[in-house]
Amino acid sequence: DVKVTQSSRYLVKRTGEKVFLECVQDMDHENMFWYRQDPGLGLRLIYFSYDVKMKEKGDIPEGYSVSREKKERFSLILESASTNQTSMYLCASSLLAGGPAGELFFGEGSRLTVL
Amino acid sequence: GDSVTQMEGPVTLSEEAFLTINCTYTATGYPSLFWYVQYPGEGLQLLLKATKADDKGSNKGFEATYRKETTSFHLEKGSVQVSDSAVYFCALDNNAGNMLTFGGGTRLMVKP
Repeated sequence: DVKVTQSSRYLVKRTGEKVFLECVQDMDHENMFWYRQDPGLGLRLIYFSYDVKMKEKGDIPEGYSVSREKKERFSLILESASTNQTSMYLCASSLLAGGPAGELFFGEGSRLTVL
Repeated sequence: GDSVTQMEGPVTLSEEAFLTINCTYTATGYPSLFWYVQYPGEGLQLLLKATKADDKGSNKGFEATYRKETTSFHLEKGSVQVSDSAVYFCALDNNAGNMLTFGGGTRLMVKP
């Protein structure tokens, strides 16, 4: 089974702190994604990556950056956390860019609270 | 741009009741459609999908039919169980490299 592992289930940070959310997948997937999940808004795409060192902005990239130095690892970075970034963050991966309509495999999520 | 609209929850049902969760979409072309489910404390997992008009996706007693004429993909189950309590997300992939557009999610609560 594909496994997507997010390093932290729960984090509490203070305004202005730098925050790293780590995600690792074990199935050699090309694509990796970061979403945030907020009640009533569903999932919104922050950034995605089709390959190592590649990144593309999603719908809500402001205030975030990402890093993909290795194929299996995709990190989300909040350079200076703010209270409006309190949310559930979900990492996902999928097999092929442009391939058959996609099943995304999700991690369990990281719930971030910014005080 | 593409969008997905789901009925707002929560939906509260008694065990063995019939379930319908409505989903409509706006997209150009011929997207693929999905239902994902998120059980408490877990990430999302694919429940079912349909890749072309009139296809029916099914899994675990759930079904949804891709209706292009009404741009809908409603989720149904004939007899829900307490274990079906979860949040359900409708989504589409408009052949954009597995970048899914999600609806807002519908929470289902099933009471014994």
